[in-house]
Amino acid sequence: EPEVTQTPSHQVTQMGQEVILRCVPISNHLYFYWYRQILGQKVEFLVSFYNNEISEKSEIFDDQFSVERPDGSNFTLKIRSTKLEDSAMYFCASSDGLAGGGKTQYFGPGTRLLVL
Amino acid sequence: SQQGEEDPQALSIQEGENATMNCSYKTSINNLQWYRQNSGRGLVHLILIRSNEREKHSGRLRVTLDTSKKSSSLLITASRAADTASYFCATDGYYGNNRLAFGKGNQVVVIP
Repeated sequence: EPEVTQTPSHQVTQMGQEVILRCVPISNHLYFYWYRQILGQKVEFLVSFYNNEISEKSEIFDDQFSVERPDGSNFTLKIRSTKLEDSAMYFCASSDGLAGGGKTQYFGPGTRLLVL
Repeated sequence: SQQGEEDPQALSIQEGENATMNCSYKTSINNLQWYRQNSGRGLVHLILIRSNEREKHSGRLRVTLDTSKKSSSLLITASRAADTASYFCATDGYYGNNRLAFGKGNQVVVIP
């Protein structure tokens, strides 16, 4: 069964450093997402991406964050200058349609980011 | 906040028993979904129920949706140790059609 994959599984970085989290969505999906989960807290929406542009973003997704689909298979989240509070599990997800239209978002296993 | 919100219960049950958890939300939705998360792992989609549906089954899972009360329940019948996980409901519709809003999750421990 097709699945979303993410790399790395764990990332440790120093505050102020840039990190790039990578995702390979399910191949025939057109909508891509990033969510994060701070330890012990809710899963929070960051951004959605469709047709090579951001379609929606949350208030968390500030200028420190960017997303890119550099080729036909990868979808990346870049954090330019990490802060301690960016420590979280970051989930990539993909879908073949809109959630409001009853389409499921399939999540990857996550990247656990620790900022020291 | 217009998010799915579970009753933040930690549930501990014996294998073979049924586990029920609830979720409430605050605005109109198109769909409500339930996900499972094993400790420190990814989110696995369990079931989606549309706003015009009242009940849905998938294997040992039964989901109900009451849009008048803005609430949903997830029932796991004949629980197994492998059902030990956190269960989240997620709603769409308030912020837009494509952003899922998750609740805090219910932690379920099934004792063998």
